[in-house]
Amino acid sequence: AQTVTQSQPEMSVQEAETVTLSCTYDTSESDYYLFWYKQPPSRQMILVIRQEAYKQQNATENRFSVNFQKAAKSFSLKISDSQLGDAAMYFCACSSGGGADGLTFGKGTHLIIQP
Amino acid sequence: KAGVTQTPRYLIKTRGQQVTLSCSPISGHRSVSWYQQTPGQGLQFLFEYFSETQRNKGNFPGRFSGRQFSNSRSEMNVSTLELGDSALYLCASSLIPGPNTEAFFGQGTRLTVV
Repeated sequence: AQTVTQSQPEMSVQEAETVTLSCTYDTSESDYYLFWYKQPPSRQMILVIRQEAYKQQNATENRFSVNFQKAAKSFSLKISDSQLGDAAMYFCACSSGGGADGLTFGKGTHLIIQP
Repeated sequence: KAGVTQTPRYLIKTRGQQVTLSCSPISGHRSVSWYQQTPGQGLQFLFEYFSETQRNKGNFPGRFSGRQFSNSRSEMNVSTLELGDSALYLCASSLIPGPNTEAFFGQGTRLTVV
């Protein structure tokens, strides 16, 4: 079993600035995957970025990057050059044990972009 | 390529009734997972199907069940509905089970139990 904690219920950032969303996780498995999903008002969950635990290099996808600290069990998401379209709920998730228990999600962070 | 399609989008049911939700995965995807999303509990894993077999199930009572057909379409059923079953039910499809293949989500079915 795994747990995922997002301690920031809401974050606000000015358009074009950088924001970091925090996530900590706990799992007893050595093989696991970490994800950030975005859920806009349309409700559809969209994968933002994925990190394999065995990879030391932090994943990046255009303006999105992660800071994966394995020893600290921390997995934060950095959004650079924030855009209005980035406004959404962001969920951190973990999958381990071959995915037997599906994805375990955090409670989410509501990201507000100030124009 | 069509995405994951969930029907209906909205549903209102009375306590004690039963409900069936449908999920059509992306063409070629054989794995379908279901999640329940509520303000209080957040997103919780319900079950996963692959090749018409339930691969695993989350911590939900037996009133929650599902199945998968030979064309990979999946249905979930909730019997004897309770007020607490009001939630957004999300379906996700992937080529095969496991975290190393991307899961694509549908827009969900909003179930309201009155």
